[in-house]
Amino acid sequence: SYVLTQPPSVSVVPGQTATIACGGNNIAGKTVHWYQQKSGQAPIVVILYNDDRPSGIPERFSGSKSENTASLTITRVEPGDEADYYCQVWDSRTTHWVFGGGTKLSVL
Amino acid sequence: EVQLLESGGGLIQPGGSLRLSCEASGFSFNMFAMTWVRQAPGKGLEWVSAMSTGNSPTFYADSVKGRFTISRDNSRNTLYLQMDSLRVEDTAIYYCAQVAATVNTGAAVHWGQGILVTVSS
Repeated sequence: SYVLTQPPSVSVVPGQTATIACGGNNIAGKTVHWYQQKSGQAPIVVILYNDDRPSGIPERFSGSKSENTASLTITRVEPGDEADYYCQVWDSRTTHWVFGGGTKLSVL
Repeated sequence: EVQLLESGGGLIQPGGSLRLSCEASGFSFNMFAMTWVRQAPGKGLEWVSAMSTGNSPTFYADSVKGRFTISRDNSRNTLYLQMDSLRVEDTAIYYCAQVAATVNTGAAVHWGQGILVTVSS
């Protein structure tokens, strides 16, 4: 089955840039979505279709991809960005949605 | 405003059955694919099942295939998840979500608040 690998945690100081990686075999050929889940809340989508921001998501959030890694970048990180972040793709071979294991972003 | 309200969760013994419902409002339910995603206590998100606007196609995670059945009643704006032969490892918060575009391209753009299912003897 297709596997998405994320680092368990990323730490950043307020005002700096956080980058969360999502590794997957030939992920460049897939459409990647990113979700944010704050403690005790349902997830929300923060990046659609690799690099689109839904309305209401700050411009500080952006997405990108290379051959085997997708990335979520958050510039000028704020304390309110502290959350778990998940990447997600569709695996056409198994016809499954696949989520990464999640990355806990800590704002120090 | 899109709203998704899950119901039907609770405590159930291993081997038992539950049916979750997700009542949708604020959008044309019959025009959107829908999905169920779960989250075990302290764990990450796990996709469970999804379906397109009609009664097919349907898609299932390997962990629930043959035990869970997703369905929808477009006249009632409601999504269902019939869960049979429940196992302890099915214990989780279950979220229903609206899918933008198709199941194989879209994301879960609106989520319910989730409903807790606890499988325990």
